[in-house]
This record gives sequence, C-alpha cells and structure tokens, in this order.
Amino acid sequence: AQKVTQAQTEISVVEKEDVTLDCVYETRDTTYYLFWYKQPPSGELVFLIRRNSFDEQNEISGRYSWNFQKSTSSFNFTITASQVVDSAVYFCALSPTNTGNQFYFGTGTSLTVIP
Amino acid sequence: DAGVIQSPRHEVTEMGQEVTLRCKPISGHNSLFWYRQTMMRGLELLIYFNNNVPIDDSGMPEDRFSAKMPNASFSTLKIQPSEPRDSAVYFCASSLAGTLGFFGQGTRLTVV
Repeated sequence: AQKVTQAQTEISVVEKEDVTLDCVYETRDTTYYLFWYKQPPSGELVFLIRRNSFDEQNEISGRYSWNFQKSTSSFNFTITASQVVDSAVYFCALSPTNTGNQFYFGTGTSLTVIP
Repeated sequence: DAGVIQSPRHEVTEMGQEVTLRCKPISGHNSLFWYRQTMMRGLELLIYFNNNVPIDDSGMPEDRFSAKMPNASFSTLKIQPSEPRDSAVYFCASSLAGTLGFFGQGTRLTVV
C-alpha cells in the first residue's frame, strides 16, 4: 500500500519558535520521491522540496530544513524561527516511481504562527 | 516558464449545468493529474494521464465526471450535470517522470 500519514492536524506556535511537522510514509516501491507542499490561505499549492529515495542527506534552505530517514520511513520538516507568513497548511506527498508517477498526499498539517 | 495554467479561476454555476475546467501543463511534462480538494475529504486524485493516455481514473466520482487530454498541452475536466456536492477546488498538476510536481492555482467551483 502507498500511504502518507501526517499525524499532526493542527499546530500553533508563537513567532520565532521552531516547529517540526511530521511525515511518515508507506510504500513497497524501492524508488520513490517525497515532497512537501505549502498551501497558504490564498489556496495555491506551492512546491517546497523533492527528495529522491536514494538520497538521505538532510537539506537546509534558509529557515527550512528536512530530515529524511528511510529506517523510520519519515520525512520531517522543520521551520526555524517561525514567522507569521509561515502560517499555512503543509502537505507531505509520496510519488513511487514504479506506479505511474502518482502522488499520494497526507491529510496536511495546519500551522498557525501567532505574532 | 508560466507554470501550470488553469482556467477559470472561479466558476459559479447552477445545479444541472455543464462545467468544463481547463488545464495547460508545463511544457515538456508527460504526466498530468486532476485533484479535487474539499474540507471533508482533503486532496483526492481524480484521474491522471501519462503521455496523454488516462492511466487511472478510479478516483473519478461517477459518470458525471469525464476528463480528456487531446494533446500534450491541454486537458479538460467536465462535469455534466453538476450538483452542489461537486463544489470544491479542482487542481491540475503536471510532472515529468516523478520529478518536480507543480500545481496550477486551482479552480474554485461553486454549484448552487
């Protein structure tokens, strides 16, 4: 089965706090991609990152960082020094490369950053 | 690159009317997806195409929904007849063999 679980439905933090959004995935495929998308209140889905299953290196982009651990099937997303503009719904997604390039989305985590 | 382009951005229609949503994928991408997003169900995959061919339409709710991709640069999602429960945001996305998956800005459909 292909599945993405985002157990945190809603998170609230105070501005400048760090916050980690959890993502756990299931797949039988040996090769796959993992993604994070941001959906701000305006509604569009903004691509944040793609990670190949062969590349377990963590990645940092400004205040954003991602921790990919195949041993625990997790791809967690951390925002450092959160800002009000980070308030959005964040979706984790899985795309197994052997099943036609579908995207399997988690249910999303709604992040509210309080000024 | 202009990204994935969807039209219209907003559509309000009366129950029973036909609705057609349009999508222009990113040039060169060979996979196209239609998703529906509602508060109750979240993001649902409706159908996806590889190289203009429908691969999996198991997510299409019922026969009232149909999707076509006549060429690599255009796809439509049609609802006929529309019902209030079809009200949602419909997203189109395109990708190239599992690489970057970009979404359009969505079409917000309201059926009254």
